[in-house]
Amino acid sequence: DVKVTQSSRYLVKRTGEKVFLECVQDMDHENMFWYRQDPGLGLRLIYFSYDVKMKEKGDIPEGYSVSREKKERFSLILESASTNQTSMYLCASTLIGSGNTIYFGEGSWLTVV
Amino acid sequence: AQSATQLDSHVSVSEGTPVLLRCNYSSSYSPSLFWYVQHPNKGLQLLLKYTSAATLVKGINGFEAEFKKSETSFHLTKPSAHMSDAAEYFCVVSERSAGNMLTFGGGTRLMVKP
Repeated sequence: DVKVTQSSRYLVKRTGEKVFLECVQDMDHENMFWYRQDPGLGLRLIYFSYDVKMKEKGDIPEGYSVSREKKERFSLILESASTNQTSMYLCASTLIGSGNTIYFGEGSWLTVV
Repeated sequence: AQSATQLDSHVSVSEGTPVLLRCNYSSSYSPSLFWYVQHPNKGLQLLLKYTSAATLVKGINGFEAEFKKSETSFHLTKPSAHMSDAAEYFCVVSERSAGNMLTFGGGTRLMVKP
């Protein structure tokens, strides 16, 4: 079974803090993604990566950055957390190619106070 | 640009009755379409996917969906709801011209009454 693991399930951070959300997948997938999920808005893509050290902006990259130093690990970074970044963050991975299933982690609930 | 529109934000059914969750999509080319389910405090699980093969797609837990190009729809159905089906459901579209990126609908919360 594919496993996508998000190391932090619940975090509470203060405004202005730097926040790291880590994601690891164990199936040698090329593509990895970070989404945020908010009520009524569905999932919105923040960043994605299709290879080590490669990254592309998604629909809402402002206030975020990412790092992919190893194929299995994709990190989301909030340089200076703000209250409007309180949300559920989902990491996902998939093989390159059309129609491939995307596998999701269980999510990281971030509250910024 | 691709998009997925879920026509109902909430659907409530009684246990044992049919389920219909509606999704319309927009896509410039032949899309791949997915339905994902999310149970409370859990990640997303794939229910089924359409990738230009048979238009009627069967998924897990008795769900199925029919791709109707003329109506640009991909509605999710199940003949008989179970209490464990209560969850949030997402319709997702992906097309090659968009780099196979996924675009999610806004979600439909399914409630199942005893």
